[in-house]
Amino acid sequence: DIQMTQSPSSVSASVGDRVTITCRASQDISSWLAWYQQRPGKAPKLLIFVASSLQSGVPSRFSGSGSGTDFTLTISSLQPEDFATYFCQQADSYPLTFGGGTKVEIK
Amino acid sequence: EVQLVESGGGLVQPGGSLRLSCAASGFTFSGYLMSWVRQAPGKGLEWVANIKQDGSEKYYVDSVKGRFTISRDNAKNSLSLQMNSLRSEDTAVYYCARICSTTTCVDVFDFWGQGTMVTVSS
Repeated sequence: DIQMTQSPSSVSASVGDRVTITCRASQDISSWLAWYQQRPGKAPKLLIFVASSLQSGVPSRFSGSGSGTDFTLTISSLQPEDFATYFCQQADSYPLTFGGGTKVEIK
Repeated sequence: EVQLVESGGGLVQPGGSLRLSCAASGFTFSGYLMSWVRQAPGKGLEWVANIKQDGSEKYYVDSVKGRFTISRDNAKNSLSLQMNSLRSEDTAVYYCARICSTTTCVDVFDFWGQGTMVTVSS
């Protein structure tokens, strides 16, 4: 199974800050990586797929990059509604696996 | 508008069974792979099972193989998860999720239901 490791597990930031979250795969997954946002008590929401493609309706302050084993999700200017937990997911092979999550908290 | 509405969760004793359902609307259900993903309280996400558009192929995470069965009824726009021999570690919110159907958005969950809670406890 492919293991997905996210860092940091939590980050404190202020509105307007640039935030970067990292996801590392235990083996090469090319660009088969997705990012999700989950607000408390809500279902996850797809943000990015194939590492850098923005899902329809997602604000452009979200961006993704990387390939192979190392990936990043960047929020260019944090907004109040962005305080949430973010998960990466590899879509290269079964079983599909997720990272442990990164909680973005208010500083 | 895409909608996925889960039902069937509840409290069940270890070793018991439960059947989850997901009612889909707002899209051509028969054109999409569908999935169940779960999240234990305070924990991360775990993919559970997938089913192809015509139900011909099904995939499961190892921890539920032989105990859970995913199925679908395209005539009723409905997805199900039959869960048998339940264990305490199966306690989680279970989400019904649609899988993308483009050449680049593969095995990615583009729409999710709100989830149904399953608690396995004596």
